[in-house]
Amino acid sequence: SQKIEQNSEALNIQEGKTATLTCNYTNYSPAYLQWYRQDPGRGPVFLLLIRENEKEKRKERLKVTFDTTLKQSLFHITASQPADSATYLCALTISGGYNKLIFGAGTRLAVHP
Amino acid sequence: DAGVTQSPTHLIKTRGQHVTLRCSPISGHKSVSWYQQVLGQGPQFIFQYYEKEERGRGNFPDRFSARQFPNYSSELNVNALLLGDSALYLCASSLGGSKNIQYFGAGTRLSVL
Repeated sequence: SQKIEQNSEALNIQEGKTATLTCNYTNYSPAYLQWYRQDPGRGPVFLLLIRENEKEKRKERLKVTFDTTLKQSLFHITASQPADSATYLCALTISGGYNKLIFGAGTRLAVHP
Repeated sequence: DAGVTQSPTHLIKTRGQHVTLRCSPISGHKSVSWYQQVLGQGPQFIFQYYEKEERGRGNFPDRFSARQFPNYSSELNVNALLLGDSALYLCASSLGGSKNIQYFGAGTRLSVL
């Protein structure tokens, strides 16, 4: 069956450390992988997109890796801050037709001062 | 520029009733998608419209329907509400295209009693 898996348990880290979130998928061949941030009671906000033929993408303190052999993406936040506390969702773009976007359940990150 | 706007923000209905949710996309975006998000889960795709045509439909019953208007705004209709329809309903707009980056509204919180 097709699945997207993100750590269901919350990730608690100390301010200043690097947070690493994992997204694994099975039985999909995504053209792109996206990461979104969602705060309580709000809609998701797009952060980064990485193509299937890219290994790594960076934006300020954010870094995403994409390994299509392992079917895994890692999302890193360096020098984390309490304001980074939120739920982070990974999403796969499946090409064809309307380029369907499929979301994982998300991982909640809590950064403690 | 205004982001994606949704109305109403909250709604309480009883089983068997009908509901209409509304969405205005970002100016210039011709694609609108609807998602259902249950607590603790990621957004689940319901519909995508592009240029007033339905482009894609997720695994939802026929009680769910939608349409897009000439100004690219959209409505989601749900008939014969069930308790299980209680969720956050998210609208997202995009430019279309292969990446399908979604820009979300804040959502409509629907409670079915």
